[in-house]
This record gives sequence, structure tokens and C-alpha cells, in this order.
Amino acid sequence: DAGVTQSPTHLIKTRGQQVTLRCSPKSGHDTVSWYQQALGQGPQFIFQYYEEEERQRGNFPDRFSGHQFPNYSSELNVNALLLGDSALYLCASRLTGTGGANGYTFGSGTRLTVV
Amino acid sequence: AQSVTQLGSHVSVSEGALVLLRCNYSSSVPPYLFWYVQYPNQGLQLLLKYTTGATLVKGINGFEAEFKKSETSFHLTKPSAHMSDAAEYFCAVLIAYGQNFVFGPGTRLSVLP
Repeated sequence: DAGVTQSPTHLIKTRGQQVTLRCSPKSGHDTVSWYQQALGQGPQFIFQYYEEEERQRGNFPDRFSGHQFPNYSSELNVNALLLGDSALYLCASRLTGTGGANGYTFGSGTRLTVV
Repeated sequence: AQSVTQLGSHVSVSEGALVLLRCNYSSSVPPYLFWYVQYPNQGLQLLLKYTTGATLVKGINGFEAEFKKSETSFHLTKPSAHMSDAAEYFCAVLIAYGQNFVFGPGTRLSVLP
């Protein structure tokens, strides 16, 4: 049973560019959340998608946007990249209604480096 | 707003010694509490969680944690450290179903031979 799959695993971008990160949730899961983990820090919540809509959002600027597709997979887009966007981006999925505390599964993340 | 503090950004113990990683939380309602471990260049792996019921929770790899409401704490312990325990450990809270995690800053555990 495949868990959460994220791609690519590593990425290097230049300041000002745009980037798209991808996440395939665990089989049977329908809700996807994204987290940013800067070096030496804990993950910080970016946003959550359910039924192809953004349901919750953390304290991140509009440069961060996302999308969820009918197959529940999700993308995270970041525009006008800053050096401070360099981080590990984690995706987590769960099945709505099953008891969120028990149902979260994290992917291995995408390491984004902005130069 | 919820917050999580972890005392000690870096903890070193000798192999075979007791591991104690501290976590305190701030929440207006009783939260669900979690410990995650992260090995280098990997994602987060759930060690254990407290939702309801018994306040002493046992997890994987010999770790356990005790929820103390009066102290707003959820400290992680292991009686005897192993070299393979060296990793980053994150405490997290979840206020309600459907909400999202608030993570602490993490504690890096080093195990010395």
C-alpha cells in the first residue's frame, strides 16, 4: 500500500522563478495538507485542500497557492521565489471523517533550494 | 492560539542512558498530542500519540510519553538509548479533528557511544 508520494525529491530554483511541487495522497485519503519546514525548525502549516477547494490556510503570503485534482492529488505553487522559501515541503494526507488524529500520513518531502 | 515549546534544541545522551525530551503546549482546550521522529533527509514518522484515555502512551521503538494536563506537558522518554535513536524529534498538537498540526521547533537527539 503506497503511502504519500511527493515529487520531485529535490529541486533548485533561482530567485524570482516559480515552482510547482506535487503530492499523491495515500490510497483512500481525500484531504491533503502542505507544510513548510525551514532548516532547523518545525513544520509550519501552509494550507489544506478537500474536495478541490482550499479549506484552511496558515500564515503564508498569496505567492503560495495550491490545487487539488479530482483524483485527490495536489500541487503546491510558489511564485516569485525568495531565498527564504528554501525549505523542505511536506505533504500530509488523511481521510475526512475517520478521525483526524489517527489518520494523518506524511510524505518524505521535497527539498527546495532557492539560489 | 496554540503553541508548542520543546526545551533543548539539542540533547546528547550516552548509549544505554535514559532519553528525556521535553514538550510543553499551550492550548485553550485539551489537545491531541503527538511525537514525530525525522531521520536525515526523510519525512515525519509517528512515534506515538495521545488522544483520549490512558495518559501514559507507549509508542514504537520503546518510546513512551505521559500527558500531564496540570503541567501542560507531554514529555517523551526511553529507558535505554540506542545509536539508531539519533534523529530530530518533534512534538505537535492537534486541537480537533479536521484541524492541522502545530509543531514545536524540534529537539535533535545525539547518542554517544
